[in-house]
Amino acid sequence: SQTIHQWPATLVQPVGSPLSLECTVEGTSNPNLYWYRQAAGRGLQLLFYSVGIGQISSEVPQNLSASRPQDRQFILSSKKLLLSDSGFYLCACQTLNGLASEQYFGPGTRLTVT
Amino acid sequence: AQTVTQSQPEMSVQEAETVTLSCTYDTSESDYYLFWYKQPPSRQMILVIRQEAYKQQNATENRFSVNFQKAAKSFSLKISDSQLGDAAMYFCAYRSAEGAQKLVFGQGTRLTINP
Repeated sequence: SQTIHQWPATLVQPVGSPLSLECTVEGTSNPNLYWYRQAAGRGLQLLFYSVGIGQISSEVPQNLSASRPQDRQFILSSKKLLLSDSGFYLCACQTLNGLASEQYFGPGTRLTVT
Repeated sequence: AQTVTQSQPEMSVQEAETVTLSCTYDTSESDYYLFWYKQPPSRQMILVIRQEAYKQQNATENRFSVNFQKAAKSFSLKISDSQLGDAAMYFCAYRSAEGAQKLVFGQGTRLTINP
């Protein structure tokens, strides 16, 4: 079964600083990868998804960007953080073994922008 | 675009009792999947149960079952014999059967189990 790693687990960054969150996946190949953000007390919002290396789709206009340099690596970045970027960031993976495949989530990164 | 609505921000139930969490969704698609995810205090998202829209039979996983009403676009979760470990945020989610398989989440329901 697949395992999703995210780091760091917790991050406190000042406004205007850069950001790099990493997600790596084990136990599968050629997965779809997703970045979600969860604001405090709210549901998950899809930020980016990728169906292959170098293929990134953005769901909402924002201060963030994503990259997929390797098949099982997905990176979320920002050049200058805003206060509104604070939240809980979840990476998810889905292996398209037919349409019955599930989306599995990593442990998440809690980002606080001060 | 698809939307998912959970109208109950908070619910509570006595231990060993049964509780039902509500979810409605809006879509023009005929083929899709519906899910309930659990998010305990650790914030790890855990899949509880899934339902394929083409199946008329309601899904069941041990103490968890759903009431899927496709015409009404309703997808409720029933938890029987509630346990303290069931305390968590519960999210209803929709996924299209085509395209990039993106999940659309509701706002969540916080479930409290009273001992």
